[in-house]
Amino acid sequence: DSGVTQTPKHLITATGQRVTLRCSPRSGDLSVYWYQQSLDQGLQFLIQYYNGEERAKGNILERFSAQQFPDLHSELNLSSLELGDSALYFCASSLGQGADEQYFGPGTRLTVT
Amino acid sequence: EDQVTQSPEALRLQEGESSSLNCSYTVSGLRGLFWYRQDPGKGPEFLFTLYSAGEEKEKERLKATLTKKESFLHITAPKPEDSATYLCAVSSGGSYIPTFGRGTSLIVHP
Repeated sequence: DSGVTQTPKHLITATGQRVTLRCSPRSGDLSVYWYQQSLDQGLQFLIQYYNGEERAKGNILERFSAQQFPDLHSELNLSSLELGDSALYFCASSLGQGADEQYFGPGTRLTVT
Repeated sequence: EDQVTQSPEALRLQEGESSSLNCSYTVSGLRGLFWYRQDPGKGPEFLFTLYSAGEEKEKERLKATLTKKESFLHITAPKPEDSATYLCAVSSGGSYIPTFGRGTSLIVHP
């Protein structure tokens, strides 16, 4: 158990819909990262927050957004969903701003039908 | 742009048959190289961080080494429970965000 929690575990929704994925980092960690993992793309970095502030952005679509709240939990919002958004979404946390080991949550499996 | 290439893509071993996984990288100023283990449908699990060439780290049957161009994950006398995908990632001076390789899928047969 990494100490990182993610909800929900599974999500099935239709194209065009909007969903919110939630992540609670390990106790004491200030950074939260979001990743998308699909069979053909591998693990792709989406966005990082550090202590409530956006720290880095990766290949995140404009339809996706995230935020980190004062209690350090984070939410990833996915809107206007397309079939190609079906993937595993992982949240990870680390103590510092980067270049240190990350601890991953169990993931949310999103299926868009 | 940081690049990470892992080989082989897949590896099948008999229990007790030692082998090595390779991670070749191209970065501008390595900050850290990370190894993770990922079981199917689960999040990656952190194994090691290596920071400079010549560094080695061990954990049970796993040993990670680092040169200026690549890292090896040596698996000694593997057991079926070592079956997993092993991911390599690098973080460089240009970006704190790690770039992940596609991984090596390891299957250890009893």
